[in-house]
Amino acid sequence: QTVVTQEPSVTVSPGGTVTLTCASSTGAVTSGYYPNWFQQKPGQAPRALIYSTSKKHSWTPARFSGSLLGGKAALTLSGVQPEDEAEYYCLLYYGGAHFWVFGGGTKLTVL
Amino acid sequence: QITLKESGPTLVKPTETLTLTCTFSGFSLRTSGVGVGWIRQPPGKALEWLALIYWNDDKRYRPSLNSRLSITKDTSKNQVVLTMTHMDPVDTATYYCAHSGGSGFVPFDYWGQGILVTVPS
Repeated sequence: QTVVTQEPSVTVSPGGTVTLTCASSTGAVTSGYYPNWFQQKPGQAPRALIYSTSKKHSWTPARFSGSLLGGKAALTLSGVQPEDEAEYYCLLYYGGAHFWVFGGGTKLTVL
Repeated sequence: QITLKESGPTLVKPTETLTLTCTFSGFSLRTSGVGVGWIRQPPGKALEWLALIYWNDDKRYRPSLNSRLSITKDTSKNQVVLTMTHMDPVDTATYYCAHSGGSGFVPFDYWGQGILVTVPS
């Protein structure tokens, strides 16, 4: 079974920078996995932030950026705001079998 | 603008079949590259991708649930229907439908509000 792993929880100070990562049980994450990132706040539907590793939607704040880092997909928040406190999910595409897998999520606390 | 809304039963008995409908506006499933997917989230747990149907009727399913899932579209009604058989208490979750663009490479950019489906034990 394919598993996508994220840090369970991360804490960051307001104004700081934090990087969340996303690993695949199948090996290194590459651009071919078309990594996506979503933000979810309590009681709300998820909101798409990043697609295809580093591309931003029109509504994605500039402080969010996506990349590949050490064999993982990464989401970096620069200049963290209190409203960034949320759960963050990555999503990877497994093209060989044509299916998508979400990571377990990272709870980001801004403190 | 793009909107999606899920509808269906909020309580399903074990062994029964769940049928959920996603009604959308602001886009067409006749447009090349467009798709609609279903994602669920058990209470307090992570998101799980379930299924995706494309404009050309190509269908993809979560491998572990492939035998229980069916996704269909009605382009004239702007609706996508998800069917899940043999429901179990572990299937209790909020079920979301979401728009997908770029032939699946811009997935789930717009989401419905979700519908909580409970399967009692």
